[in-house]
Amino acid sequence: ETGVTQTPRHLVMGMTNKKSLKCEQHLGHNAMYWYKQSAKKPLELMFVYSLEERVENNSVPSRFSPECPNSSHLFLHLHTLQPEDSALYLCASSLGLRVINEQFFGPGTRLTVL
Amino acid sequence: KQEVTQIPAALSVPEGENLVLNCSFTDSAIYNLQWFRQDPGKGLTSLLLIQSSQREQTSGRLNASLDKSSGRSTLYIAASQPGDSATYLCAVGEEYGNKLVFGAGTILRVKS
Repeated sequence: ETGVTQTPRHLVMGMTNKKSLKCEQHLGHNAMYWYKQSAKKPLELMFVYSLEERVENNSVPSRFSPECPNSSHLFLHLHTLQPEDSALYLCASSLGLRVINEQFFGPGTRLTVL
Repeated sequence: KQEVTQIPAALSVPEGENLVLNCSFTDSAIYNLQWFRQDPGKGLTSLLLIQSSQREQTSGRLNASLDKSSGRSTLYIAASQPGDSATYLCAVGEEYGNKLVFGAGTILRVKS
């Protein structure tokens, strides 16, 4: 266990549904991340939060909406997704924002969009 | 733009063999390089982190080297075991931009 948990672990949704992914870290970290991992492609950074403020948004479509209510919790709200959004969504956290700080990953949510 | 390439994409070896996984990156302005392991459908587990000033790191049967000037890193696994079967990911920490940039991974299968 890395100290980063994600729920649900699996999610199947239709294109018109609204759902949310949840991430929680128990490590006292200040930075949290959302990554997307599609089949046979490198991990793509989606969003970065530092001390609950969004510091990076990597040109992610607006149908993905992140929320960071406090430094321990991170959500990804999903709305009107497309089948190509099916992927493994990984959350990570680190002590600080700079890359000298090691990132710890959660187990991921496997999302299937029908 | 930093690009990370991992070769081979997949590797199948018999148990007990020593093996080398390769990672190359296009921009040598990095803070560090990290090797991760990912089991099917699971998250990432950090194996080794090499700072840009270091040449190598070792943990048990794993040894990772870094040649920053040539943009290369290798992960050496000694005496491979079936439990080593997983996807191995390489990621570089960009000096400018504060991001981890990942390779696509090497899928390793160790046959008993």
